[in-house]
Amino acid sequence: AQKVTQAQTEISVVEKEDVTLDCVYETRDTTYYLFWYKQPPSGELVFLIRRNSFDEQNEISGRYSWNFQKSTSSFNFTITASQVVDSAVYFCALSVLNNAGNMLTFGGGTRLMVKP
Amino acid sequence: EPEVTQTPSHQVTQMGQEVILRCVPISNHLYFYWYRQILGQKVEFLVSFYNNEISEKSEIFDDQFSVERPDGSNFTLKIRSTKLEDSAMYFCASTRERGVYEQYFGPGTRLTVT
Repeated sequence: AQKVTQAQTEISVVEKEDVTLDCVYETRDTTYYLFWYKQPPSGELVFLIRRNSFDEQNEISGRYSWNFQKSTSSFNFTITASQVVDSAVYFCALSVLNNAGNMLTFGGGTRLMVKP
Repeated sequence: EPEVTQTPSHQVTQMGQEVILRCVPISNHLYFYWYRQILGQKVEFLVSFYNNEISEKSEIFDDQFSVERPDGSNFTLKIRSTKLEDSAMYFCASTRERGVYEQYFGPGTRLTVT
């Protein structure tokens, strides 16, 4: 069975601060995929990134960056120079490659509040 | 940009009533999913659907739930006899092909059971 843990339930920062959202996962599968989704106050789930278990390269996209470390089973997400519009709940998720439906297992989410 | 759509955005129903939640996945996608999110909690997988049959389902997806693709565009979730604990946001998602790809989510239907 898969499990995703986001230990930080809520983080509050002031605009322009950097913030890192932690994600720790558990799986026995050797081939798996990790995701981050953003859920703004409007409620929809917005896909941010997908990484596979064989690619440990960090990724940067604008103010967003992701650090994947297999040794610690972590896939952390950093927002640089945070903005008020970054305020949302962020979910980390895991999926394994199987012959079934490739369901996503979500963590509990981290609510990020960016204050002006 | 193509997107997943869901109707209605909000549904209020009485306990014991049947509800049907509707989704239109992205047109060239082949895998479809339903998830739910009880208020303030995490998103939970309900069911996945491929080639007109269920490919995987969770323990939550009991006999009260069913899914259907009645035509080439719609994907529905039916709850036969709603309970108070079915109150949640229900998300539909789709992905383009077999394998683990990003799932694109609809805006959700908020179901309130009174």
